[in-house]
Amino acid sequence: DVKVTQSSRYLVKRTGEKVFLECVQDMDHENMFWYRQDPGLGLRLIYFSYDVKMKEKGDIPEGYSVSREKKERFSLILESASTNQTSMYLCASIPLVQGAYNQPQHFGDGTRLSIL
Amino acid sequence: GQNIDQPTEMTATEGAIVQINCTYQTSGFNGLFWYQQHAGEAPTFLSYNVLDGLEEKGRFSSFLSRSKGYSYLLLKELQMKDSASYLCAVRGGDYKLSFGAGTTVTVRA
Repeated sequence: DVKVTQSSRYLVKRTGEKVFLECVQDMDHENMFWYRQDPGLGLRLIYFSYDVKMKEKGDIPEGYSVSREKKERFSLILESASTNQTSMYLCASIPLVQGAYNQPQHFGDGTRLSIL
Repeated sequence: GQNIDQPTEMTATEGAIVQINCTYQTSGFNGLFWYQQHAGEAPTFLSYNVLDGLEEKGRFSSFLSRSKGYSYLLLKELQMKDSASYLCAVRGGDYKLSFGAGTTVTVRA
């Protein structure tokens, strides 16, 4: 069965800290995504990656960066955490199958991050 | 750009039917997904539509009209466990999804 694992369910950090959120998938998927989810706004795409060492900006990349050194791991980095980055962060993955647009994204359980 | 609208909240009685509408305006279209998300959990895949018409999966059905930019998710014989958020998402010209804000469905006894 598909498994996307996020390293922490809950995380509390302080303003200005550098924060790492880790995501690992065991399905050998090429594509991985980071979203944040806020009430009334839904899921918004921060960054995604089509392959190892490749990354592309999503809709709200400001204040974030990512790292994909291995195929199974996609890390989200908050360079200098701010209170407006308090949110639920969700990681997802999907295989690269040319033209198979019916493949659903598989999500991790999320990390609820609080910045104090 | 992408614009996806769905109602914020709906309430229904156990055993009843609820229809969640989703309208979209997107650049490129490669299908529409519905996900279910219980509080504190990951979204889970419910359905995918790319052609016009109705897709039925047990108690859940999803409909798509591409010309109208419109979809709905129909939940029949509601059960308490169906209380959740339902997310409408559109796939554009690549593998990215654009999500609506979600509809919270509350099922009452």
